[in-house]
Amino acid sequence: GALVYQYPRRTICKSGTSMRMECQAVGFQATSVAWYRQSPQKTFELIALSTVNSAIKYEQNFTQEKFPISHPNLSFSSMTVLNAYLEDRGLYLCGAREGEDEQYFGPGTRLTVL
Amino acid sequence: GEKVEQHESTLSVREGDSAVINCTYTDTASSYFPWYKQEAGKSLHFVIDIRSNVDRKQSQRLTVLLDKKAKRFSLHITATQPEDSAIYFCAASRTGGYKVVFGSGTRLLVSP
Repeated sequence: GALVYQYPRRTICKSGTSMRMECQAVGFQATSVAWYRQSPQKTFELIALSTVNSAIKYEQNFTQEKFPISHPNLSFSSMTVLNAYLEDRGLYLCGAREGEDEQYFGPGTRLTVL
Repeated sequence: GEKVEQHESTLSVREGDSAVINCTYTDTASSYFPWYKQEAGKSLHFVIDIRSNVDRKQSQRLTVLLDKKAKRFSLHITATQPEDSAIYFCAASRTGGYKVVFGSGTRLLVSP
């Protein structure tokens, strides 16, 4: 079956430092990968959508300079949170799809910023 | 862009009753409507979805209804159980555009 893994599951970083998280799709080809953030007590905000052979599209309030994303092949994507501050804490979800099929979500990376 | 509104922030029912969660969307081009469940401290778990070529889909105790004219869709859970307690998120997406927009979530509490 289709699975999405995310690493690490939990991480803590000091304010002002950076943190990289990874997403791996197994059992299907991740032609598109979306990164979401769920801040405490809130819903899931789309950060950016990466589609193979297209430019990565960032949503308003999110920039490549702050959240650089790599999507080098059909099974892997990574995102870095640069200069993390308190407002960046939350659950970061990776959602991957093959074509127009269902989007599968990973378990998330929970980021705590001290 | 697409906006998805989830009308009930909290819903409390007794075990065995039915629960209904309602959502509306704004983008007439949206054609894929998934529902997800998030248990406390955990990630999202896919529950059920519906595409715009049908107006009803059922899977065991879950039924999703879609009213394209009103741009409204709903999740119906029958014979609720305490383990159904979680936050439920509705979402909407265009098929060509891949962007999935989430509602704000409904906390469902099923008491024994």
